[in-house]
Amino acid sequence: NAGVTQTPKFRVLKTGQSMTLLCAQDMNHEYMYWYRQDPGMGLRLIHYSVGEGTTAKGEVPDGYNVSRLKKQNFLLGLESAAPSQTSVYFCASSDGPKLFFGSGTQLSVL
Amino acid sequence: SQQGEEDPQALSIQEGENATMNCSYKTSINNLQWYRQNSGRGLVHLILIRSNEREKHSGRLRVTLDTSKKSSSLLITASRAADTASYFCDPRDSGGSNYKLTFGKGTLLTVNP
Repeated sequence: NAGVTQTPKFRVLKTGQSMTLLCAQDMNHEYMYWYRQDPGMGLRLIHYSVGEGTTAKGEVPDGYNVSRLKKQNFLLGLESAAPSQTSVYFCASSDGPKLFFGSGTQLSVL
Repeated sequence: SQQGEEDPQALSIQEGENATMNCSYKTSINNLQWYRQNSGRGLVHLILIRSNEREKHSGRLRVTLDTSKKSSSLLITASRAADTASYFCDPRDSGGSNYKLTFGKGTLLTVNP
């Protein structure tokens, strides 16, 4: 039972490049979330989904897009990466009060 | 949904000592959870306490909840170096959306060997 799996674990981008982060969960959870964590800022919610085919904006959605075409996958896209998007990204899923987190993706935008 | 505020922001103790951290929140809750985050890793769920509970134990962890003060505390007894991590609380509202979940900055606990 893998839980929540994020790929890739590390990535370096140049300003203006695009990329997609993949989050996959094998627990049949309805809810999925994308967070970013910056030093001294805690975790900030980017986008979330309450079920397959649904997405909604969180606290800091600008510059990101998401899709939930399959229940088990939640994709986070950066269309034109900026240095301000250098961060650690975490995906989480839940089907109740308890959240299950992935191990994170460290993204650097140069 | 609401965000908990952890206090203190940082705590440094010696191995074997107890560590206490606190969480405050603003509106009435259904339950409250604590998570641990080791450096560079995802959050891991530690314990959930419901609004009708005042205290809960799990191994070396003891959580208390005071709904009249809108606060919770997490006590780690006989701390170990492996307890070094950031700790976050997650208060869940009694009503309204529980989807837009945000977290505070956490308490960074350092346990010195």
